[in-house]
Amino acid sequence: SQTIHQWPATLVQPVGSPLSLECTVEGTSNPNLYWYRQAAGRGLQLLFYSVGIGQISSEVPQNLSASRPQDRQFILSSKKLLLSDSGFYLCAWRLTGPTDTQYFGPGTRLTVL
Amino acid sequence: GQQLNQSPQSMFIQEGEDVSMNCTSSSIFNTWLWYKQDPGEGPVLLIALYKAGELTSNGRLTAQFGITRKDSFLNISASIPSDVGIYFCAGYWVGNQFYFGTGTSLTVIP
Repeated sequence: SQTIHQWPATLVQPVGSPLSLECTVEGTSNPNLYWYRQAAGRGLQLLFYSVGIGQISSEVPQNLSASRPQDRQFILSSKKLLLSDSGFYLCAWRLTGPTDTQYFGPGTRLTVL
Repeated sequence: GQQLNQSPQSMFIQEGEDVSMNCTSSSIFNTWLWYKQDPGEGPVLLIALYKAGELTSNGRLTAQFGITRKDSFLNISASIPSDVGIYFCAGYWVGNQFYFGTGTSLTVIP
């Protein structure tokens, strides 16, 4: 069965510091991968998605970037964090086909101080 | 991006009561998904729907894919305290993006 991992689970970073969040998926090949941010109050904002190694689509211009160095690895980065980058970051993978479905990871809580 | 209209935004119910929530869209979808999110955790998939009119159950949960393909409903029967959380709907048509509702916060009073 498929499993999705995210780390770290929690992160507190000062303004201006770099960021690297990692997401890995087990048990599937060539998944579509997604990064979402969830601010307090629930809404899920799509940040990036990737359909393959090195292929990144950005939905919202911002202080963040994403990379997919390996088939089942998706990384969210920033060179300099802003206060507004605080939030709950969720990675997800998509099962494509007749029964299209999306599964989420456990999330990373980022607090920028 | 497009966001689905989900209602109600919050619900406070007594344990044992039934719960209904729904999601509507201005566009048609060919997939509707329902998730539950506990505090500090990622959303967990509850039910997936793929055909207009489809009615699917998962224990005490029942969801329906609206005939117009622009809405979906989730019902929870005989609520229990562990049903507390935020419920999200999500829709998909084509391309790579799923669209999410704003969530329904459910509180169950023992």
